[in-house]
Amino acid sequence: GAVVSQHPSWVICKSGTSVKIECRSLDFQATTMFWYRQFPKQSLMLMATSNEGSKATYEQGVEKDKFLINHASLTLSTLTVTSAHPEDSSFYICSAGNSPGTKYEQYFGPGTRLTVT
Amino acid sequence: AQKITQTQPGMFVQEKEAVTLDCTYDTSDPSYGLFWYKQPSSGEMIFLIYQGSYDQQNATEGRYSLNFQKARKSANLVISASQLGDSAMYFCAMREGEKLVFGKGTKLTVNP
Repeated sequence: GAVVSQHPSWVICKSGTSVKIECRSLDFQATTMFWYRQFPKQSLMLMATSNEGSKATYEQGVEKDKFLINHASLTLSTLTVTSAHPEDSSFYICSAGNSPGTKYEQYFGPGTRLTVT
Repeated sequence: AQKITQTQPGMFVQEKEAVTLDCTYDTSDPSYGLFWYKQPSSGEMIFLIYQGSYDQQNATEGRYSLNFQKARKSANLVISASQLGDSAMYFCAMREGEKLVFGKGTKLTVNP
């Protein structure tokens, strides 16, 4: 089956610094990638939809200047959390879109746990 | 309004027994897809089962089956012969356009 990787799997950073998270589709090309955030004991909340070669579409309430998304190729999307603060500490999960209308619509990465101190 | 409703925050089941996790959905689109994912404590999202709105039969994948009642807009997950490794969070999701909308999840605990 298709594999999506994320790097790093966990990161601790100091308040005010920026953190970049990579999402890669390893064995298929993904024109669309999705970024989710999950707080402890809560559900996944979609942050943005990333299309290769174009600007990401952000969900309502998500600051696009704070969460920079770049989808430079069909296999790589990056999420940069700029000027991170403790409230940005969360579990960030990406997914890569494959075949719409089928069960293999989104393959999920393993997630990145971000802790801002 | 919530698109996906999971009314059971937590469920307990005895090992080897069957358990049903509830999910109701709300959409006016005649074409939609419903998904169930398992999320163990490691955090990865594991795809379990998919039901398309036009599928005539209920979906099955091994020990997982989906009880799809279209008129009631429900898509309950049935896990047969529960195993200790089934203890995890379970999320129901619906495709809305190209996005997935998730329910709040149900924490399943399988007791030995």
